[in-house]
Amino acid sequence: NAGVTQTPKFQVLKTGQSMTLQCAQDMNHEYMSWYRQDPGMGLRLIHYSVGAGITDQGEVPNGYNVSRSTTEDFPLRLLSAAPSQTSVYFCASSLISTSGRRTQYFGPGTRLLVL
Amino acid sequence: AQTVTQSQPEMSVQEAETVTLSCTYDTSESDYYLFWYKQPPSRQMILVIRQEAYKQQNATENRFSVNFQKAAKSFSLKISDSQLGDAAMYFCAYLNFGNEKLTFGTGTRLTIIP
Repeated sequence: NAGVTQTPKFQVLKTGQSMTLQCAQDMNHEYMSWYRQDPGMGLRLIHYSVGAGITDQGEVPNGYNVSRSTTEDFPLRLLSAAPSQTSVYFCASSLISTSGRRTQYFGPGTRLLVL
Repeated sequence: AQTVTQSQPEMSVQEAETVTLSCTYDTSESDYYLFWYKQPPSRQMILVIRQEAYKQQNATENRFSVNFQKAAKSFSLKISDSQLGDAAMYFCAYLNFGNEKLTFGTGTRLTIIP
């Protein structure tokens, strides 16, 4: 298993540009989510999905869109990048199981710089 | 809304010694999970240890153990026999069962002194 993969590793954008951060997992996990990490702060939830076709907003959703057409993929779209979106972005996935093994596994992160 | 507080921005410990990182949280729920994640300079988020709230027994993983005090809403991490590879940011996190949302603290930077 590759686990959770993210592309690209690093990206520079100009203000107003759009881009998609890719996230994929091969563990057949129902739950996937996107977080951003800013200096001096913990990770904050942007959007999440509990299964294909189902998405919902997290703590800081403004400026981001998501969709979940397959179990494996959960892309994050920036429609019009702003300097405030400069951050490190993490994708995570987990099983939602009655056995209680609800651990979230994280991808390696994407570092985004918006000029 | 749940909150997680890590009141120690930085900690240091001599190699081979023991260190305890503090975490408190606020919730009205009775069922939840708590986690400690390690983030080395590579930025990878690595699970260190997990605690289910319904379990009274404290979780242990080799040199890592927790002191879970549910009534006090406290969840500290003890690292025994500290090693140079333990140097990292450590994040405490709370998982809400209802919506699977993880809430993180602001982290503690741990330095190991050789």
